[in-house]
Amino acid sequence: AQSVTQLGSHVSVSEGALVLLRCNYSSSVPPYLFWYVQYPNQGLQLLLKYTTGATLVKGINGFEAEFKKSETSFHLTKPSAHMSDAAEYFCAVSVGGFKTIFGAGTRLFVKA
Amino acid sequence: DAGVTQSPTHLIKTRGQQVTLRCSPISGHKSVSWYQQVLGQGPQFIFQYYEKEERGRGNFPDRFSARQFPNYSSELNVNALLLGDSALYLCASSLKSGGTRGETQYFGPGTRLLVL
Repeated sequence: AQSVTQLGSHVSVSEGALVLLRCNYSSSVPPYLFWYVQYPNQGLQLLLKYTTGATLVKGINGFEAEFKKSETSFHLTKPSAHMSDAAEYFCAVSVGGFKTIFGAGTRLFVKA
Repeated sequence: DAGVTQSPTHLIKTRGQQVTLRCSPISGHKSVSWYQQVLGQGPQFIFQYYEKEERGRGNFPDRFSARQFPNYSSELNVNALLLGDSALYLCASSLKSGGTRGETQYFGPGTRLLVL
């Protein structure tokens, strides 16, 4: 069965510091991986996705993620946090077909 | 172009009642998926419809049903509401069957349902 584990329900960083949100997946077939962001009282917005090809994926708002098959990881990073990055972040996996499985989410706090 | 729209934005029901939630996909998108997001958790897959046919169902009871119309809009129905059905219900649209080859899903703002 496919699954997603996000390590850390809450992450706090200072403005300007590195953001690292961890995601590990489980899949018996090559996965397609996604990171979404959710601001309060809003729907989900796609940050980036990995399907095939280059393992380092660049997304919107300066975020990027690296697919590491050997570690079954897809961690999300941003070199310098901004106050506007404060939100809930979800990692998700799709193994084809119709179903996307989401992690439980990581809430990012950015301190001034 | 307009994004995914959902109505209503908020809804309050009592236990045992029935509710219908509506979703209009992005123009040209033929697939609609429904997700339930309980407070503090990630979205859970409920249904996917593509070209008006159900293509997938998550682990939800038969009280949950959905349909897709010829214009690709969709309705989610929940009967015999329970307190545990209180959640944000998200609709997502995609060009094709969501998830195939990493198809991007575009989410609406959701309908927040409160069951008292």
